[in-house]
Amino acid sequence: QKEVEQNSGPLSVPEGAIASLNCTYSDRGSQSFFWYRQYSGKSPELIMFIYSNGDKEDGRFTAQLNKASQYVSLLIRDSQPSDSATYLCAVNMYSSASKIIFGSGTRLSIRP
Amino acid sequence: NAGVTQTPKFQVLKTGQSMTLQCAQDMNHNSMYWYRQDPGMGLRLIYYSASEGTTDKGEVPNGYNVSRLNKREFSLRLESAAPSQTSVYFCASSERSASEAFFGQGTRLTVV
Repeated sequence: QKEVEQNSGPLSVPEGAIASLNCTYSDRGSQSFFWYRQYSGKSPELIMFIYSNGDKEDGRFTAQLNKASQYVSLLIRDSQPSDSATYLCAVNMYSSASKIIFGSGTRLSIRP
Repeated sequence: NAGVTQTPKFQVLKTGQSMTLQCAQDMNHNSMYWYRQDPGMGLRLIYYSASEGTTDKGEVPNGYNVSRLNKREFSLRLESAAPSQTSVYFCASSERSASEAFFGQGTRLTVV
């Protein structure tokens, strides 16, 4: 079992709709969770981080964390064509606090 | 404010050659990381350094060595390059072990 798992996609969402991206992780003791966006040929850039159970909102983005289910998600409201990218989930592993493990990423395409 | 700087940006090696990828950060971060990214594989952790003077293996350390030269610099060495090491390599740093990582622009390495 991979330590961090994501559906690879592609996920196609119409412009203006809500895009929902999901991630599960294996280390029950993990404490820090991150979502990165990566455009083709570019470096990953941080969108959101979340440490506590529940929701965290930042503009059009909402991160949701459920530690009991070992599940973290990212919602993008009012999706724009500029949101088309690969979204990477990352988890800071409890076994080693410095060990940040990434999922394989979900490719999101926003269709006009 | 340069952030995380990687050199070189592009490199072509012949099988069996050696080289060192350089990484430096100017954010006074304690932790540094090396990842590789292959198509459809997300980011895989090669080695990381929680703090100056320490290094640890990640998910895919075979064929690589690292040196945390000082707080700013973290280098990755390929002693005998193989075609399987053709990839994009990213260096990243974070302020502390559980905080978000910031990435360099990447090094595209081809081994022929």
